[in-house]
Amino acid sequence: QSVLTQPPSVSGAPGQRITISCTGSTSNIGAGYDVCWYQQFPGTAPKLLIYADNNRPSGVPDRFSGSKSGSSASLAITGLQSDDEADYYCQSYDSSLRVVFGGGTKVTVL
Amino acid sequence: QVQLQESGPGLVKPSQTLSLTCTVSGGSISSGSYYWGWIRQPAGRGLEWIGRIYRSGTTNYNPSLKSRVTISVDTSKNQFSLKLSSVTAADTAVYFCARETTGPSFDYWGPGTLVTVSS
Repeated sequence: QSVLTQPPSVSGAPGQRITISCTGSTSNIGAGYDVCWYQQFPGTAPKLLIYADNNRPSGVPDRFSGSKSGSSASLAITGLQSDDEADYYCQSYDSSLRVVFGGGTKVTVL
Repeated sequence: QVQLQESGPGLVKPSQTLSLTCTVSGGSISSGSYYWGWIRQPAGRGLEWIGRIYRSGTTNYNPSLKSRVTISVDTSKNQFSLKLSSVTAADTAVYFCARETTGPSFDYWGPGTLVTVSS
């Protein structure tokens, strides 16, 4: 049971915009801790996609964007491409002094 | 470019201690304000944070694993290590080491190593 809640799957057609939600509580996201997002392909390590709620590391396309409101956060992917098929994880910090992850969302491009 | 590489036995017997080492190259563990962490992922499941260590030796552990986990650092070898005691089949997973930066977020990851707990 993950501390942060994500939908198990999200799908969209090429070129569409999709969003992935990440719901936490007042002890993590709602406490003001930063949210980051990772992209993971099968058999590989996660790759940092978004940090500090809405910042992209160098090299990450601006099709990926993050937002946060209250105890929830979202990752948006615009102009969906077949290469975006992967698992996506949100992550934050908790007042119990631990890093917490979402359960992951599988993105399918129809 | 910072690179991390996990190493250690791929098979551990139940009740024994799992031991992994992460070797960092392309940068020094002793420089910058980074934590160095361990994360694991059972097959087909999500990511679970195990714990982290600062260059000074300060550690934080996941409360659910705290009684069984020890993370240490050897700055002279540019390595940090994980020990997980009294393992069971539930500890079978791919174990990743990673660099933790502000946020926190993990900006560099090792490729991961599969550890299977089985007799």
